[in-house]
Amino acid sequence: SQTIHQWPATLVQPVGSPLSLECTVEGTSNPNLYWYRQAAGRGLQLLFYSVGIGQISSEVPQNLSASRPQDRQFILSSKKLLLSDSGFYLCAWSTGAEQPQHFGDGTRLSIL
Amino acid sequence: GIQVEQSPPDLILQEGANSTLRCNFSDSVNNLQWFHQNPWGQLINLFYIPSGTKQNGRLSATTVATERYSLLYISSSQTTDSGVYFCAVQGGGSNYKLTFGKGTLLTVNP
Repeated sequence: SQTIHQWPATLVQPVGSPLSLECTVEGTSNPNLYWYRQAAGRGLQLLFYSVGIGQISSEVPQNLSASRPQDRQFILSSKKLLLSDSGFYLCAWSTGAEQPQHFGDGTRLSIL
Repeated sequence: GIQVEQSPPDLILQEGANSTLRCNFSDSVNNLQWFHQNPWGQLINLFYIPSGTKQNGRLSATTVATERYSLLYISSSQTTDSGVYFCAVQGGGSNYKLTFGKGTLLTVNP
């Protein structure tokens, strides 16, 4: 069966520091991969999605970037974190467009 | 983009009660999912239901795509049902983005 892993589970970072969050999927090939952010405990917003290695689409302009160096690996990065980057970040996968998306357990990011 | 409205925003029940959560959306959809977010933040898939009716134990869901709404039914609620229930849709020209409603916060008291 397919599984999705995110790490770390929680992260506390100072303003201006870099960020790297990692997501990996097991048990499937060529998945669509997604990064969402949840702020203030309600509603998720899509940040990035990828349909293949090296293919990244951004939904909202921001201080973050994403990369997909391997088929089942999706990385969320920042060179310099802002206070507004705090939130709960969730990675998801699906077998294709319009197919159900399955979420990881998320990373709680606090910026001090 | 597509708009998603969920109601009620908050719901408090006694254990054993039944409830109905509603999701209205503003455009045709090609994907609709219901999720339960537990107190630890985990987002649990409940249903993938762009149309029709499905049941899973005490939970069932119905989507009437032509009228642009979906309903989630919870019967004989338990304290473990507490959490936030989200409706999320794909549509309005996007094949990838799930647009989430603001959720219904359900509290089930013993």
